[in-house]
Amino acid sequence: QVQLQESGPGLVKPSQTLSLTCTVSGGSISGGGYYWNWIRQHPGKGLEWIGNIYYSGSTYYNPSLKSRVTISVDTSKNQLSLKLNSVTAADTAVYYCARSPAYGGNPTWLDYWGQGTLVTVSS
Amino acid sequence: DIQMTQSPSSLSASVGDRVTITCRASQSIGTYLNWYQQKPGRAPGLLIYAVASLQSGVPLRFSGSGSGTDFTLTISSLQPEDFATYYCQQTYSTPWTFGQGTKVGIK
Repeated sequence: QVQLQESGPGLVKPSQTLSLTCTVSGGSISGGGYYWNWIRQHPGKGLEWIGNIYYSGSTYYNPSLKSRVTISVDTSKNQLSLKLNSVTAADTAVYYCARSPAYGGNPTWLDYWGQGTLVTVSS
Repeated sequence: DIQMTQSPSSLSASVGDRVTITCRASQSIGTYLNWYQQKPGRAPGLLIYAVASLQSGVPLRFSGSGSGTDFTLTISSLQPEDFATYYCQQTYSTPWTFGQGTKVGIK
């Protein structure tokens, strides 16, 4: 059973960089066949897809965040990471990592999710 | 971006009721449509993928249909554990987008 677990600071100051890690267990990122995603949910709101990455390093980003976002993988640690720079209060949200099976080389649905981690942007 | 619009935004129903939630895409997305269930304080969970395929472990009372721009999630007989918020999602093109959610409450 694949499990994903987000970790990182729960409080980030405005203008700083939000950095989160997602540790994957029960499956290998470097094994291929899956894309690894970040999604966020503002308090009491809906879901926003941030982007995803394949183990090879190929990425897709949401254009609304692309200028501030970097998603990367560390296959030696079986982790993916999210960096979001120049944060503001509008980036306060629960951040989730999730897995997407790849079919025909393309990512599909989100079949396993982490529990999520709340990040608050405040001075 | 492809806009996903769900209706209704909320509904109240009783145990045993048949519940239908609709999702409309701003352009044709073929069959690249998925449904998720989220309970308070929990991560979303995949219910249905590719319009009508049931994720492993999901009860058969859940079903999905549609194609192109109009899609439906149906719960044939609502159970107490089904009170939650449901989201549709398109994966036809990036950025992937979600509907605003439909909250299913107890009547």
